[in-house]
Amino acid sequence: DQQVKQNSPSLSVQEGRISILNCDYTNSMFDYFLWYKKYPAEGPTFLISISSIKDKNEDGRFTVFLNKSAKHLSLHIVPSQPGDSAVYFCAFFYGGSQGNLIFGKGTKLSVKP
Amino acid sequence: DAGVIQSPRHEVTEMGQEVTLRCKPISGHNSLFWYRQTMMRGLELLIYFNNNVPIDDSGMPEDRFSAKMPNASFSTLKIQPSEPRDSAVYFCASSWGQENSPLHFGNGTRLTVT
Repeated sequence: DQQVKQNSPSLSVQEGRISILNCDYTNSMFDYFLWYKKYPAEGPTFLISISSIKDKNEDGRFTVFLNKSAKHLSLHIVPSQPGDSAVYFCAFFYGGSQGNLIFGKGTKLSVKP
Repeated sequence: DAGVIQSPRHEVTEMGQEVTLRCKPISGHNSLFWYRQTMMRGLELLIYFNNNVPIDDSGMPEDRFSAKMPNASFSTLKIQPSEPRDSAVYFCASSWGQENSPLHFGNGTRLTVT
């Protein structure tokens, strides 16, 4: 029973264009949403987050959008750079417990020069 | 500023052997997490500690797995005896322990059991 789905295992984008990564979730108890980035042979690195009381959060080239009614989370990267090539995981907290963090299976982004 | 440090980076062992993975969390963080990553199941929480006390070990797959945190700067994950299906990347992470605090991950230990 998957509570989190990242339906695109991979995405290829041209340098300078927008990258859009998506997650769908089923658990309405999720109340805090995060994106992590992972390079090969390294651990995931926290990128950006959003609370359930907001629908948008920006940090430089990265913007996270939350559509609670559709149970949909997305990450926009504009403009995309070759250094953004990595695996991106969405992650969801619920219930205020640090142990209640559910990860998606990841989307591999390739940004081509 | 040192991040989460895991050792070894790679471990290759034979089925039936004991395996010990080590983790040093970020200084000052009071929560520590062990995750396992596989192709089939993605990132799964095995166990997490708060102030050195195990809070939730419901993700530990079997009694063959055990974890300890004897002090705030060190934790171990032990598998005894190891089996080929334990082959995975094991990540340790730490955080401030506050609600919704992002986790900071180490670079993982890639375990191969033959």
